[in-house]
Amino acid sequence: TQLLEQSPQFLSIQEGENLTVYCNSSSVFSSLQWYRQEPGEGPVLLVTVVTGGEVKKLKRLTFQFGDARKDSSLHITAAQPGDTGLYLCAGGRGGSNYKLTFGKGTLLTVNP
Amino acid sequence: DTEVTQTPKHLVMGMTNKKSLKCEQHMGHRAMYWYKQKAKKPPELMFVYSYEKLSINESVPSRFSPECPNSSLLNLHLHALQPEDSALYLCASSSEGNQPQHFGDGTRLSIL
Repeated sequence: TQLLEQSPQFLSIQEGENLTVYCNSSSVFSSLQWYRQEPGEGPVLLVTVVTGGEVKKLKRLTFQFGDARKDSSLHITAAQPGDTGLYLCAGGRGGSNYKLTFGKGTLLTVNP
Repeated sequence: DTEVTQTPKHLVMGMTNKKSLKCEQHMGHRAMYWYKQKAKKPPELMFVYSYEKLSINESVPSRFSPECPNSSLLNLHLHALQPEDSALYLCASSSEGNQPQHFGDGTRLSIL
């Protein structure tokens, strides 16, 4: 069974601080998705990374896929209250495998 | 706004009721998914349809019955549910099985 270890599980910070969320696995993934979910809504896809070593930026969010495609990180610069939510990483195996392996999530609270 | 539409947004039902959850997407996606999500936890896969055929059933109890009438629609029929089935039920779709999944906002289900 593939596992994605996501950390930290909970994070409460002040507006303006930086933070990093990690997803680690002993298995290789063909792709890694990051989602953000706000209360009462479904997960919203933020980014997909597919190439080892790939870095993608989305405004103040920077996503990185490890060289070996076993780990990924999400870094937020100067966090804002609007960044509050549940962040989920999810790994895909590719090919005919339709299942995503989800991390347990990081519940981020950014206090004004 | 999500491109995957789920109805109803909220549903309260007794253990003897029969109800259905509906999901619709018009992105031309050929894979559709049902997930169950408990509070502050990652989504758990229930069913996957690929090209309108059931391809994955994650050992879901028979009181949950999926149906894919056409490539744009996915239903989940509910009968004789238990209180522990109370959760957020999410529908997702992807262009192919190994592509990023896009989620709806879910149906919040409460079983009395």
